[in-house]
Amino acid sequence: KNEVEQSPQNLTAQEGEFITINCSYSVGISALHWLQQHPGGGIVSLFMLSSGKKKHGRLIATINIQEKHSSLHITASHPRDSAVYICAVRTSGSRLTFGEGTQLTVNP
Amino acid sequence: KAGVTQTPRYLIKTRGQQVTLSCSPISGHRSVSWYQQTPGQGLQFLFEYFSETQRNKGNFPGRFSGRQFSNSRSEMNVSTLELGDSALYLCASSLGLAGGPVTGELFFGEGSRLTVL
Repeated sequence: KNEVEQSPQNLTAQEGEFITINCSYSVGISALHWLQQHPGGGIVSLFMLSSGKKKHGRLIATINIQEKHSSLHITASHPRDSAVYICAVRTSGSRLTFGEGTQLTVNP
Repeated sequence: KAGVTQTPRYLIKTRGQQVTLSCSPISGHRSVSWYQQTPGQGLQFLFEYFSETQRNKGNFPGRFSGRQFSNSRSEMNVSTLELGDSALYLCASSLGLAGGPVTGELFFGEGSRLTVL
């Protein structure tokens, strides 16, 4: 079993829909990152969380440390949100362990 | 403020050769970490440097090595290349903290895409 599990692996939505991507982990962490990767490879850090909830524009990220679970929400989705979303946890020291990613496609 | 710069962006090598990739972090950032991304294994942590010292290393063979210079620029080297080393190699910089775990937000470069023939 992977230390970081994401669901769903693939997600197709219509423009305007509310989207949720989930991340569960099985190890103790010091922080959790949500990353976005567009075709071509470039990765952008969306959030870094150690507790609670953060919001940036239409994106909301939450984390429940006791349940070892985090969610990334996108409100009013748009085709430009189409990308791979990756959850990564920071464990001992500075090591990052990544989930397999969620491929999101938002159709107009 | 300039972002993280990785060079070269694309390169092709043959089995047995060696390769050196470079990463220039955001000005003022002291931590540089390296990652390998392949279709089969996804993203995997290679190593992290802070103030010229390797602080953490992933589960990769000794053919993979790196270093960091006094200006925080970092290089990684892969010797005796194998077909399976074909991947996108990404580096990320963060402010970093002396004497403790890295807690800062990560800023990624565009990556160096290595093809081994």
